[in-house]
Amino acid sequence: EADIYQTPRYLVIGTGKKITLECSQTMGHDKMYWYQQDPGMELHLIHYSYGVNSTEKGDLSSESTVSRIRTEHFPLTLESARPSHTSQYLCASGDREEVQYFGAGTRLSVL
Amino acid sequence: KNQVEQSPQSLIILEGKNCTLQCNYTVSPFSNLRWYKQDTGRGPVSLTIMTFSENTKSNGRYTATLDADTKQSSLHITASQLSDSASYICVVSDRGSTLGRLYFGRGTQLTVWP
Repeated sequence: EADIYQTPRYLVIGTGKKITLECSQTMGHDKMYWYQQDPGMELHLIHYSYGVNSTEKGDLSSESTVSRIRTEHFPLTLESARPSHTSQYLCASGDREEVQYFGAGTRLSVL
Repeated sequence: KNQVEQSPQSLIILEGKNCTLQCNYTVSPFSNLRWYKQDTGRGPVSLTIMTFSENTKSNGRYTATLDADTKQSSLHITASQLSDSASYICVVSDRGSTLGRLYFGRGTQLTVWP
């Protein structure tokens, strides 16, 4: 079992609210990632980080932002949630063999 | 366009039976291919990872094969168990970046019936 944690597991929120999805890992990995996954669809990379103070946008355009102030912590923030943001968000960290370890995900519903 | 295609989209088998899932890819250059298992409502968990020079790799009842010439991979599950019910995702990494860009298939949804 990988030591990567996401909170909350489920979140239902109204349009226009600011939200932060938390992701923490205790494996000391430098690389961390955020993916978005709709039901039955493939994962899409939205953000990644090589290490502290490093953040990059992924392949799928996203209105969310991320920060990497500490190695173990990689939170994702939506300043103003919209129904189009409804999805599952998966956080992962990667070891030196490029194996990625995923958290359980946050299922977000914006009403 | 780099793509990863998986088949079948879904599969139902009886407990104890074997099954094989397919993955075709067009990703180039190629670094490695991974199979992940994703239980409903959970994050994916790595099953196997194979590089260009590896043809087969096993992890318990899971055996993955890779033909880098035809750009095909398969995941064979032996003596299936109810706990094998999950989505199996094929992921291909290219060689082009420090990040190790990953291309995800949509997965095969496997259901094992008692």
